[in-house]
Amino acid sequence: DAGVTQSPTHLIKTRGQQVTLRCSPKSGHDTVSWYQQALGQGPQFIFQYYEEEERQRGNFPDRFSGHQFPNYSSELNVNALLLGDSALYLCASSLGLAGATYNEQFFGPGTRLTVL
Amino acid sequence: GNSVTQMEGPVTLSEEAFLTINCTYTATGYPSLFWYVQYPGEGLQLLLKATKADDKGSNKGFEATYRKETTSFHLEKGSVQVSDSAVYFCALLNSGNTPLVFGKGTRLSVIA
Repeated sequence: DAGVTQSPTHLIKTRGQQVTLRCSPKSGHDTVSWYQQALGQGPQFIFQYYEEEERQRGNFPDRFSGHQFPNYSSELNVNALLLGDSALYLCASSLGLAGATYNEQFFGPGTRLTVL
Repeated sequence: GNSVTQMEGPVTLSEEAFLTINCTYTATGYPSLFWYVQYPGEGLQLLLKATKADDKGSNKGFEATYRKETTSFHLEKGSVQVSDSAVYFCALLNSGNTPLVFGKGTRLSVIA
């Protein structure tokens, strides 16, 4: 049973470029959440997708957008990259919307984005 | 708002030493509390959790007790191993449909 997978593993971009990160949830999971983990910091919530809609959003600008596909996989897009966007981007999947009754979130290994 | 504060690292211990990593939280309502572990090059793994006051979460020799009176959820292990070297994150999930809120993490290094 494959866990959460993310691609690519590493990515280097320059300021102003756009990037797309991908996530496949754990088998049977339908909810995907994205987190940004800056160096030496804890993960910060970006947004959550369920039934192909953004359900919750953290304190991130509109440059950060996402999508969820019918097979529950998800993409994170970041436009107009800034140096400060350099971080590890983590995807987490769960069954149903986490929060009301807690459903464990399973995390992928992350995508390391470096913006030069 | 919701926040988690955990002791800064790095923490360096000898094998078989006792471990405590402090975690305190601020939250409205009655949050669930978690400890996650991140091994080098890997994603986060749930280590243990507690969903109400006085609950004790435990796993792999680690344990933490949800203390509402002191708003704390300190992680302890009686005898650490080299394989426990990792970064440990305390996190909370408030009631209702809210996302996980993480502390900054504490790096633990265990030397033989």
